Amino acid sequence: DTEVTQTPKHLVMGMTNKKSLKCEQHMGHRAMYWYKQKAKKPPELMFVYSYEKLSINESVPSRFSPECPNSSLLNLHLHALQPEDSALYLCASSQGRGRGTGNTIYFGEGSWLTVV
Amino acid sequence: DAKTTQPNSMESNEEEPVHLPCNHSTISGTDYIHWYRQLPSQGPEYVIHGLTSNVNNRMASLAIAEDRKSSTLILHRATLRDAAVYYCILRDLQGAQKLVFGQGTRLTINP
Repeated sequence: DTEVTQTPKHLVMGMTNKKSLKCEQHMGHRAMYWYKQKAKKPPELMFVYSYEKLSINESVPSRFSPECPNSSLLNLHLHALQPEDSALYLCASSQGRGRGTGNTIYFGEGSWLTVV
Repeated sequence: DAKTTQPNSMESNEEEPVHLPCNHSTISGTDYIHWYRQLPSQGPEYVIHGLTSNVNNRMASLAIAEDRKSSTLILHRATLRDAAVYYCILRDLQGAQKLVFGQGTRLTINP
């Protein structure tokens, strides 16, 4: 099973709402990622968790709050978003170790977020 | 992160080979060359990776120049399902666990 599952697939939220995106993998991977992708643009890295600890935050605004409750789950909590935050949010995972092995990153299909 | 340069778009015909080029003149000795592709309305998927030698797998082949400053992803017999954006990415596995995407090449396959 090489699947990364993201829910919900589509989310519409108002600028004052609080919502969460969820991501799950059962491949025993210890690194998990959030990417943001705008239309016709490449994915942009937001956060990396390694062994359930936040290891990379690419200067993401605090209205995006990641959480890794355990090694299989990754959440992205959303609060006070702006319309320009509307995008496809991609979750991904990898083994977390990989010198010389390539350490393939597996992506979910994404959650389409619209902020109104 | 070292930068890669790819053509914005390419077009090919079904059942013909496709050669997707990538330039990475500032590649370091510890950078692996990775290729991912993103089909419409899907997340990116791994295609292939290599360090110095040419590589083959069931999806594609990767040809790496001797000086490692460029590489070519080869799809031996393109199908309509291969229409996607192809990303060439350098990844230093001695550093952070990052995958940083460039602009990629949008490949169109004509029936």
